[in-house]
Amino acid sequence: TQLLEQSPQFLSIQEGENLTVYCNSSSVFSSLQWYRQEPGEGPVLLVTVVTGGEVKKLKRLTFQFGDARKDSSLHITAAQPGDTGLYLCAGDTVYSTLTFGKGTMLLVSP
Amino acid sequence: DAGVIQSPRHEVTEMGQEVTLRCKPISGHNSLFWYRQTMMRGLELLIYFNNNVPIDDSGMPEDRFSAKMPNASFSTLKIQPSEPRDSAVYFCASSFGQAVPEAFFGQGTRLTVV
Repeated sequence: TQLLEQSPQFLSIQEGENLTVYCNSSSVFSSLQWYRQEPGEGPVLLVTVVTGGEVKKLKRLTFQFGDARKDSSLHITAAQPGDTGLYLCAGDTVYSTLTFGKGTMLLVSP
Repeated sequence: DAGVIQSPRHEVTEMGQEVTLRCKPISGHNSLFWYRQTMMRGLELLIYFNNNVPIDDSGMPEDRFSAKMPNASFSTLKIQPSEPRDSAVYFCASSFGQAVPEAFFGQGTRLTVV
C-alpha cells in the first residue's frame, strides 16, 4: 500500500507569515496533486506536478515535486485568512486512482 | 456548470437501518469514485468505476457496503445494515479519462449512525 505522510498535522499562524507543509512517501509516484478542502465542502484541486524537481507557482503558493518523485512541498507566502483549510496531497496509483495523505489543517488568524 | 451532486447532505439513522447515498457525476466524466473521510483515517477510496464498470472495490470495508452505477449519470452507495462505526463523511468524485486523474469532488454526505 502506498502511503503518503503529511506534516505538520496542524498549523496555526498569523496573517502575513510564511509557511511550508510537506508530503512524503517511500513510494515513487508518476504524479502528485495538492487539494484544499474547506469546512463542509469537498476537496478542490490546486495543482498537479508530474516531473521530478518540478516547481509550480499559483499566486502566493509554490509547489515542488522532489527529484525522486517521492515527496512534495507546498510553500505559502504571506498567508491570509482565506488560505485557512485542510491541505491534502494525493498520489496516483496503478489503477489511475488517487491515494490521499491525511492532510495538514492550516488556520490563519487575522 | 453543475459540479458533482450528492444527496442527501446529511443523514442520521439508527444502527441496523439501510442507508443509500446518491451521486450524480459531472456530465461527460467517465470515472467515478466513492471516498470516505474520517479524522482517524483521512480520505479512503472505497470503490472506483470506469465507464460504469467497477474496476477496484478493494476499499469497500465489508459485505455491508455495496455500490452501483446503472448509467453514466448516477451512482449509489448502500450500507445495510448500518453500524455506528460507519459514521463519516462520504464523498463522490468524478474525472475524465486521462493519464493523471484530476478528481472533482461533491460536497459530501455526512452520515451519523446512532
